[in-house]
Amino acid sequence: EDQVTQSPEALRLQEGESSSLNCSYTVSGLRGLFWYRQDPGKGPEFLFTLYSAGEEKEKERLKATLTKKESFLHITAPKPEDSATYLCAVNYDNTGKLIFGQGTTLQVKP
Amino acid sequence: KAGVTQTPRYLIKTRGQQVTLSCSPISGHRSVSWYQQTPGQGLQFLFEYFSETQRNKGNFPGRFSGRQFSNSRSEMNVSTLELGDSALYLCASTGDTEAFFGQGTRLTVV
Repeated sequence: EDQVTQSPEALRLQEGESSSLNCSYTVSGLRGLFWYRQDPGKGPEFLFTLYSAGEEKEKERLKATLTKKESFLHITAPKPEDSATYLCAVNYDNTGKLIFGQGTTLQVKP
Repeated sequence: KAGVTQTPRYLIKTRGQQVTLSCSPISGHRSVSWYQQTPGQGLQFLFEYFSETQRNKGNFPGRFSGRQFSNSRSEMNVSTLELGDSALYLCASTGDTEAFFGQGTRLTVV
């Protein structure tokens, strides 16, 4: 069964304390892996798309990487405004269907 | 460039009633997908429409239906509402590969 698992479920960091979020997937024929950020009561905000193992993308304090089995979202020197739920999703059939993980809720304390 | 617009933002309905939610995608995007988000199940795929045709469907009962118009705007309908249908309903608009989400419609069934 196609599945996406994110860990940890929740993460508390001090401002400036770097860390990584994990997304592991079991999907046949990955077409793309997506990272989103979601604030409470809002829709997910697109961050990155990764297509093939070894690919990396960066945006401000965030860097996403991809291997054949998992993806990491590295957060460098986080700030309180980075607090949110980070969602990972995969597409395997080139339609609009995404399979989401349960998310990692990040809290960054000043 | 305007984003994805969902209306209404909030709805309160009674068990047994039906409801229609609307989504206007990003201009030029032909794919519209719908998702249900609950605390327990996370984001789950309902269905996708592409050029007015349902292209993919998730594992939801037939009470959940949708359609897409020639201008790519989409509606989803839930009939005979149940308490368990209370959720955030999200619409995603896809151009080439990335899906962009609206702010969602918060449906509460009482």
